[in-house]
Amino acid sequence: GENVEQHPSTLSVQEGDSAVIKCTYSDSASNYFPWYKQELGKRPQLIIDIRSNVGEKKDQRIAVTLNKTAKHFSLHITETQPEDSAVYFCAATPGGNTGFQKLVFGTGTRLLVSP
Amino acid sequence: DTAVSQTPKYLVTQMGNDKSIKCEQNLGHDTMYWYKQDSKKFLKIMFSYNNKELIINETVPNRFSPKSPDKAHLNLHINSLELGDSAVYFCASSQVSGFEQFFGPGTRLTVL
Repeated sequence: GENVEQHPSTLSVQEGDSAVIKCTYSDSASNYFPWYKQELGKRPQLIIDIRSNVGEKKDQRIAVTLNKTAKHFSLHITETQPEDSAVYFCAATPGGNTGFQKLVFGTGTRLLVSP
Repeated sequence: DTAVSQTPKYLVTQMGNDKSIKCEQNLGHDTMYWYKQDSKKFLKIMFSYNNKELIINETVPNRFSPKSPDKAHLNLHINSLELGDSAVYFCASSQVSGFEQFFGPGTRLTVL
C-alpha cells in the first residue's frame, strides 16, 4: 500500500525565515496531495493542495511543489510568523482517482516559529 | 453553522467498557471517515462510508463498529475498550468527486 514519509519531524525557525517540509510517497498512481495544519488541541485543517497534473501552486506565503518523477512534494512557507507554529501533515491519495479517496498521512512536522 | 461536529469531546472510561462517538456533517457531503490520532500524532484512517455504505475498512479490530444511519451521520461504537484505544478520534467528510476532507473537532478517548 501507499507509504508517505515526511521530514523533518521538527523544525525551528526565526520569525521571517522560510520553512520547507518534504514528503515522499510510494504509489506512482497517487494523484492528490494535500497539506494540513493542526494547531495544538485543534482539528487538522487544509491549507493547500496540489494535483498530479500541476507542478507548483501558491497561495500567499504558502507554496507546494510536486515532482512526480521523484515522487516527492514539498511545502514552502515564506516570511514565517509565530502563528504558523503548528504540526503540518502531508498526505497522498493512493490508487488513483476512484472517487473514494483514502488519505494516507505523513508522520507530521512540528514547526516552531520564534519571535 | 458547524460543518462537522462530534460528541462527546472528551470520553474517559474504564477498560472493558463499551462506548460510542457520534459524528454529524451539514455540508451535504456523500463520504464520511473515521481517523485515529495516537499519542505520537500519527493520523491513520480507520473507516470510510459513502452514502451509508462501508467503502474503506483499514484492518481495524472488530471491536470497532461504525454505523451510518444516513449520509450526514457516522457513528463509531467500540466494544471491550483497551488501554491502546486511548487516542483522539476524528471524523471527517468530503464530496465523492471532490478531494478536500473537512475534519470534526475530535474526541479524546482515555481508557483507564
